Amino acid sequence: GAVVSQHPSWVICKSGTSVKIECRSLDFQATTMFWYRQFPKQSLMLMATSNEGSKATYEQGVEKDKFLINHASLTLSTLTVTSAHPEDSSFYICSARDPGGGRGTGELFFGEGSRLTVL
Amino acid sequence: RKEVEQDPGPFNVPEGATVAFNCTYSNSASQSFFWYRQDCRKEPKLLMSVYSSGNEDGRFTAQLNRASQYISLLIRDSKLSDSATYLCVVNTNGGYNKLIFGAGTRLAVHP
Repeated sequence: GAVVSQHPSWVICKSGTSVKIECRSLDFQATTMFWYRQFPKQSLMLMATSNEGSKATYEQGVEKDKFLINHASLTLSTLTVTSAHPEDSSFYICSARDPGGGRGTGELFFGEGSRLTVL
Repeated sequence: RKEVEQDPGPFNVPEGATVAFNCTYSNSASQSFFWYRQDCRKEPKLLMSVYSSGNEDGRFTAQLNRASQYISLLIRDSKLSDSATYLCVVNTNGGYNKLIFGAGTRLAVHP
């Protein structure tokens, strides 16, 4: 079935550095991808919607200059956490919809997630 | 008030038990409803969509009550492999454009 791949799975960085996370749709083209963040024992929170060839749409309260999103192709979206701080430590997950795949319902597939720890 | 509320659990049940999870949502305009399963430190995976008439998939039965804005998931004959966190998910736009996730209900099935 359709697969969404995220890289890296784990990343540890120093405070003040930037970290890039990649999200790829492997078997289908995704004009739209979604970026979520999940803190321990909390729900997934949508951060932004990544649109191929145009600017991302950010949810209220998410700083677009801190969380840079680039959707340069139909199979790749990247999230860059700029000047990371310890409070940015979280589980970041991307997702994409396969319009013709899944169980015929345009199922949303999630990447494996990227666990960021900022020291 | 949270948009999607779930009992966090944990629900500790023996193998073979029947367990039910509940979920309420606040936006009456919500159009699509889902149950996702999330294993520890893994990504969520779609368990099943929830239809107005209720639907069943093997040991899993989902129900929707739009009047009460209430969704349920029933698991029969629990297996050890059912141990996970079950996420109630709603969408107000239809489809998958903007999903609102509950914090999840944790299930632990023991021998």
